[in-house]
Amino acid sequence: KQEVTQIPAALSVPEGENLVLNCSFTDSAIYNLQWFRQDPGKGLTSLLLIQSSQREQTSGRLNASLDKSSGRSTLYIAASQPGDSATYLCAVKENSGYSTLTFGKGTMLLVSP
Amino acid sequence: NAGVTQTPKFRVLKTGQSMTLLCAQDMNHEYMYWYRQDPGMGLRLIHYSVGEGTTAKGEVPDGYNVSRLKKQNFLLGLESAAPSQTSVYFCASSSRGSDGYTFGSGTRLTVV
Repeated sequence: KQEVTQIPAALSVPEGENLVLNCSFTDSAIYNLQWFRQDPGKGLTSLLLIQSSQREQTSGRLNASLDKSSGRSTLYIAASQPGDSATYLCAVKENSGYSTLTFGKGTMLLVSP
Repeated sequence: NAGVTQTPKFRVLKTGQSMTLLCAQDMNHEYMYWYRQDPGMGLRLIHYSVGEGTTAKGEVPDGYNVSRLKKQNFLLGLESAAPSQTSVYFCASSSRGSDGYTFGSGTRLTVV
């Protein structure tokens, strides 16, 4: 059974720092990996989607990398801002067509002014 | 483009009452899902559907039923609510291709 682990569980940084969130998964035979953001009391917003054939994806100050063979993904946030404060979730999809997403439990990020 | 819309957003039920949560998507997605999110447990799949008229059980299906009579709608029913079903419920949809999932904004349900 696929298991997804996110480290750290919580992170507090001052504004302006570059930071890395980690995601690892036990079965490397994934189809794609998706990073989400969740604000308190809100739904999940998709940030980046990386297909298994890709090494990284970028959107603005966010960069996600994927090393499928080692079962790891990182989300890099450049020049963090207080508005980045949220919980970040990674999830893996194991095959094409229907398959459920397996989620990590998230990293709660607090960026202080 | 509304994406995935869930109704209601909040609800308080008494133990034993029934209710239906509605999920609607306007992206012509084939697949739809119901998840629940609980502190310390993460997101867990309740039921899912791979197309109109089909449903299947996920990880935690007990106490819930679902129906997908139309491609754009996926209903989650609680026949006899229990306090253990207090949670935040999320609906999601995806296409058959390599696109990711799109989530609704959630329904916060409290059973007293």
